[in-house]
Amino acid sequence: RKEVEQDPGPFNVPEGATVAFNCTYSNSASQSFFWYRQDCRKEPKLLMSVYSSGNEDGRFTAQLNRASQYISLLIRDSKLSDSATYLCVVTDAGGTSYGKLTFGQGTILTVHP
Amino acid sequence: GAVVSQHPSWVICKSGTSVKIECRSLDFQATTMFWYRQFPKQSLMLMATSNEGSKATYEQGVEKDKFLINHASLTLSTLTVTSAHPEDSSFYICSASSMGTPGYEQYFGPGTRLTVT
Repeated sequence: RKEVEQDPGPFNVPEGATVAFNCTYSNSASQSFFWYRQDCRKEPKLLMSVYSSGNEDGRFTAQLNRASQYISLLIRDSKLSDSATYLCVVTDAGGTSYGKLTFGQGTILTVHP
Repeated sequence: GAVVSQHPSWVICKSGTSVKIECRSLDFQATTMFWYRQFPKQSLMLMATSNEGSKATYEQGVEKDKFLINHASLTLSTLTVTSAHPEDSSFYICSASSMGTPGYEQYFGPGTRLTVT
């Protein structure tokens, strides 16, 4: 079983649509959780951190369920510029694993006019 | 703030030669730098973690004698791909973090695209 699993998609949605991505992780000791976006042939960029209480940043809402080891990202009112690969990322803390990021395989989103 | 640069951005080399990639933190001191590799249509895979002044810690399956990592200062880490082969062709990305960064945030460089012919 992969450490971090995502639905690879691709998701093709029209502008203005709401789209949700899911992610599960296998290591219950995981400490921090993030969503990154990666554009084609570019480095990943941090989109938002994910907290148990849930957090929102404009059109983006992230949720974490530690009991189910499940992370989600909701994008409302999709824009063309949201087209990218979205990466679910978890990190362990402490010992030799300090700060080690484990990436999911990414979910491809294409927003069309 | 928190800018990380990589050089070169792309490189083509012949099989059997060595290639050095530099990763620099431009506006902060990076106590830890990470090197990742990304093959087409795949996600990033961590290759190694390096702390300034220490030997790098390599992930399972990554040959330390082939991928030489040096982290001699708080702003520079280098990855040398020795005796490169076509299967080493990939997108190499570094990231940097400093102690106490909230949530262990890492700042990524723009990546280096290596093609071995």
